[in-house]
Amino acid sequence: GQSLEQPSEVTAVEGAIVQINCTYQTSGFYGLSWYQQHDGGAPTFLSYNALDGLEETGRFSSFLSRSDSYGYLLLQELQMKDSASYFCAVSDSNYQLIWGAGTKLIIKP
Amino acid sequence: KAGVTQTPRYLIKTRGQQVTLSCSPISGHRSVSWYQQTPGQGLQFLFEYFSETQRNKGNFPGRFSGRQFSNSRSEMNVSTLELGDSALYLCASSLFRAGDNTGELFFGEGSRLTVL
Repeated sequence: GQSLEQPSEVTAVEGAIVQINCTYQTSGFYGLSWYQQHDGGAPTFLSYNALDGLEETGRFSSFLSRSDSYGYLLLQELQMKDSASYFCAVSDSNYQLIWGAGTKLIIKP
Repeated sequence: KAGVTQTPRYLIKTRGQQVTLSCSPISGHRSVSWYQQTPGQGLQFLFEYFSETQRNKGNFPGRFSGRQFSNSRSEMNVSTLELGDSALYLCASSLFRAGDNTGELFFGEGSRLTVL
């Protein structure tokens, strides 16, 4: 079957750096996406990696290793507003997005 | 440009009833995907419609159905409601197939269904 694994919860301190990992097992792979969802809100797109390496967008970076079926989202200079759930999703060979269960990021002052 | 619009935002139904939810995608987007989200849970994929055809379907019973119109607007229907159907139903639109290109989906605010 197809599956994505990510930690259910991560806790970090304001101003620090946190990494949220995602490992996947899917039939085919086109790319890895990350989404952010605040409580009561809609998920919003953060990043997409199709090739190995690091993609940086401001305080957020996303990494992919296709050979290891692994990726991560890196959040730097954490702010309280970054408290949210983060989902990874893989595009498989059927052009379907397979979703992880989400990681709740808790930020402490 | 206008975002993804879902209606109604909130609704309360009783067991056994049926419900229809509507989703208007971003103008020009041809793909509409539906997801169910329960408290503390991830996004459970229901189905995706692209150019009026169902392209993918998740593991939900036949009580869950959907359709897409020629203007890309989509509806999903749940018949014979059960208590466990209480959830936030999210709709997402994209220009191409959901898993194509950058895989970027644009989500609506959702329809929160409560079944009593």
